[in-house]
Amino acid sequence: GNSVTQMEGPVTLSEEAFLTINCTYTATGYPSLFWYVQYPGEGLQLLLKATKADDKGSNKGFEATYRKETTSFHLEKGSVQVSDSAVYFCALTPFSSGSARQLTFGSGTQLTVLP
Amino acid sequence: DAGVIQSPRHEVTEMGQEVTLRCKPISGHNSLFWYRQTMMRGLELLIYFNNNVPIDDSGMPEDRFSAKMPNASFSTLKIQPSEPRDSAVYFCASSPRGQSQDTQYFGPGTRLTVL
Repeated sequence: GNSVTQMEGPVTLSEEAFLTINCTYTATGYPSLFWYVQYPGEGLQLLLKATKADDKGSNKGFEATYRKETTSFHLEKGSVQVSDSAVYFCALTPFSSGSARQLTFGSGTQLTVLP
Repeated sequence: DAGVIQSPRHEVTEMGQEVTLRCKPISGHNSLFWYRQTMMRGLELLIYFNNNVPIDDSGMPEDRFSAKMPNASFSTLKIQPSEPRDSAVYFCASSPRGQSQDTQYFGPGTRLTVL
């Protein structure tokens, strides 16, 4: 079946530090890959996505590249801010030509950025 | 545009009582998902609907849980009778037709506490 493995948290960084959160997946075919972010007390929000190999998703200074050869989708940001403190979830949907597809989530990584 | 709306935001009830959680998806979206989030188990998909029809309810934990979607703009998740282990945050999400059908938009969640 499909699965997503994220690096364990929590991760604590100082402001302006470089961030990497590792994510690897197991899936058949060509899944779509996502990073969602959950701020305290809120629902999940889509941060970025990539739908095919070598695609790079980017948003708000965050980037992730779909690497099929290593089945990875690592999240990076060059300079984090205090406002980036949140829980980050890696997720995938399987390839399908049909309608709605289920998201399979990783366990989430708590990020805390200190001023 | 309004996002996914969930009510109530917080619910505290006693064991054995019936609980009903409500969700209004984004207008025009044709797929709806119910998730449960706990510290121990992370995010779990309970059930999802496509065009108001339940597609996969394999994540519903047991017969005490039921979900309905009587029309395109409303869904309920009911727990009867509730138990303390049902305490969690319950999220509803919706996704549109077409090219963005793999992107889900989450509501703010309902925090359920069963005493």
